[in-house]
Amino acid sequence: GAVVSQHPSRVICKSGTSVKIECRSLDFQATTMFWYRQFPKQSLMLMATSNEGSKATYEQGVEKDKFLINHASLTLSTLTVTSAHPEDSSFYICSARDLRKGVGEAFFGQGTRLTVV
Amino acid sequence: AQSVTQLDSQVPVFEEAPVELRCNYSSSVSVYLFWYVQYPNQGLQLLLKYLSGSTLVESINGFEAEFNKSQTSFHLRKPSVHISDTAEYFCAVSPNTGNQFYFGTGTSLTVIP
Repeated sequence: GAVVSQHPSRVICKSGTSVKIECRSLDFQATTMFWYRQFPKQSLMLMATSNEGSKATYEQGVEKDKFLINHASLTLSTLTVTSAHPEDSSFYICSARDLRKGVGEAFFGQGTRLTVV
Repeated sequence: AQSVTQLDSQVPVFEEAPVELRCNYSSSVSVYLFWYVQYPNQGLQLLLKYLSGSTLVESINGFEAEFNKSQTSFHLRKPSVHISDTAEYFCAVSPNTGNQFYFGTGTSLTVIP
């Protein structure tokens, strides 16, 4: 199956700093990428949907100025958590689809464990 | 709007016993259905999917799920579980006219030796 690589897998940062998470589709072109947040023992919460070359669409309640998403190419999307605070600590997961191939599954990255201290 | 309900948050089962993880959905449009598995501190891996055709779909590791349109269900089953099946399982739907996935709250399967 297709591969989505997410980096870093773990990151610890100080409160007030910014952290960038990368999501790359390695063997296909991702027309659409999704960013999720997952709290312990809970399901995935969709944060935003990004289409290559256009602005991301954020879900209700997600601060777009805090969670900056860039999808500049068909193989790379980035999520930047700006001015991180301890409450932003979570597991972040990206997924990607190539909608030009019609309906298909979404391929998920390995996730990034963010800890803000 | 779409929603997915996984009725069982935790399912403990003895090794080699059968298991069924339940998934029901509601949607105003036709949907595609998926089961994903998540191991600790990892992303999600596709287990199986229903797009069209035969309502019974199977995975390579012995899981199967049956799409039941009248009951709006997509329950996951395995006749004999292994220790390695211990993981979190998520049911998801995707409307056939959209590109988003909607996930259930997950079922934690624990296989007991």
